Amino acid sequence: GAVVSQHPSRVICKSGTSVKIECRSLDFQATTMFWYRQFPKQSLMLMATSNEGSKATYEQGVEKDKFLINHASLTLSTLTVTSAHPEDSSFYICSALGAGAFYNEQFFGPGTRLTVL
Amino acid sequence: AQTVTQSQPEMSVQEAETVTLSCTYDTSESDYYLFWYKQPPSRQMILVIRQEAYKQQNATENRFSVNFQKAAKSFSLKISDSQLGDAAMYFCAYFNNNDMRFGAGTRLTVKP
Repeated sequence: GAVVSQHPSRVICKSGTSVKIECRSLDFQATTMFWYRQFPKQSLMLMATSNEGSKATYEQGVEKDKFLINHASLTLSTLTVTSAHPEDSSFYICSALGAGAFYNEQFFGPGTRLTVL
Repeated sequence: AQTVTQSQPEMSVQEAETVTLSCTYDTSESDYYLFWYKQPPSRQMILVIRQEAYKQQNATENRFSVNFQKAAKSFSLKISDSQLGDAAMYFCAYFNNNDMRFGAGTRLTVKP
């Protein structure tokens, strides 16, 4: 299967600062990537769909100006949490959509734990 | 909007026994994909099994198999010969046209 990495795996920041999370597809090109948020003991909630070379599509209730998504290449999507606050603390997971034999299959990154103090 | 329902927050199974996890979904689409994912304490999402809706045959992957009932919109996961390493959160997921929805999850405990 394909490999997706995320960086950093953990980040702690002060309230009001911005944090960037990177999602990379290591051995395949991904025109579409997804960003999820997972609170403790809860399921994954889709935040946005990221398409290479175009604007991301955000789910209802997700603030576009707060969660900036950039998908500038076929192997990299970034999520920037701007002016982070304690309520933004969560586990963020990205996934990349496969192609060919892995069409319509998502490959997940290991996640990033964000703690906002 | 498509919804995925897992009605069993927790399940327990004896090692080497069989357990079935339930999942139902709601959709007006005829072509879509269904998945079962495993999330161990590391929180890495691991694909267990996938099913294309247009295929009538139930998918199987070694000890894991599904019972896909399209008309009933049901997609249950059967784990045979349960192993200690199967203990994890299991999520049922629906995917169509870049829209992915997860169920609330079922926590599976395997007793030695």
